[in-house]
Amino acid sequence: QQQVRQSPQSLTVWEGETAILNCSYEDSTFNYFPWYQQFPGEGPALLISIRSVSDKKEDGRFTIFFNKREKKLSLHITDSQPGDSATYFCAATSGGNYKPTFGKGTSLVVHP
Amino acid sequence: AQTIHQWPVAEIKAVGSPLSLGCTIKGKSSPNLYWYWQATGGTLQQLFYSITVGQVESVVQLNLSASRPKDDQFILSTEKLLLSHSGFYLCAWGTGGDEQYFGPGTRLTVL
Repeated sequence: QQQVRQSPQSLTVWEGETAILNCSYEDSTFNYFPWYQQFPGEGPALLISIRSVSDKKEDGRFTIFFNKREKKLSLHITDSQPGDSATYFCAATSGGNYKPTFGKGTSLVVHP
Repeated sequence: AQTIHQWPVAEIKAVGSPLSLGCTIKGKSSPNLYWYWQATGGTLQQLFYSITVGQVESVVQLNLSASRPKDDQFILSTEKLLLSHSGFYLCAWGTGGDEQYFGPGTRLTVL
């Protein structure tokens, strides 16, 4: 059972555009949602995260929008740069259970 | 600052041979520790987690075992490798049930 779904599977944007990566979940007990950025051959890096009590979290060019009622969230990357080209994973967890569920990832390519 | 080190960086092993992968965390006392497996181009599958020395919880059964002999060390092992064990093994640490920070990973190829 896939509890965290990501779309699209791959996304291509031009430099300077806004990339929008989507994530949805099924388990209503999930209350913490981190996004990870992974470059080929490297471990994932925690990029930004949000808790279910908030509907928006911003960190520089990265913003999470969260809709608890629809069980959806999205990661917006504004002014996309070629260096943002990576795979982005959405994850979800119920606080304190030590076992996050990861989506299958979105591969982002930013063309200069 | 906390640092996480995994060894080896890469391994090429034969089917049926034993395996031991290691992970060390520096700069953090009593971290939660985690092992993940990632197929090429795939998602992250948690294998084990440990909240304290000597205690390890299994999340999925993949003919692997894990141990935590020291507060800052996490070991993943098996006595007999399968082709399906090939992939990218990631160690992670955290301070609670939420944030997890990943290491650089070990690339395992089983032939």
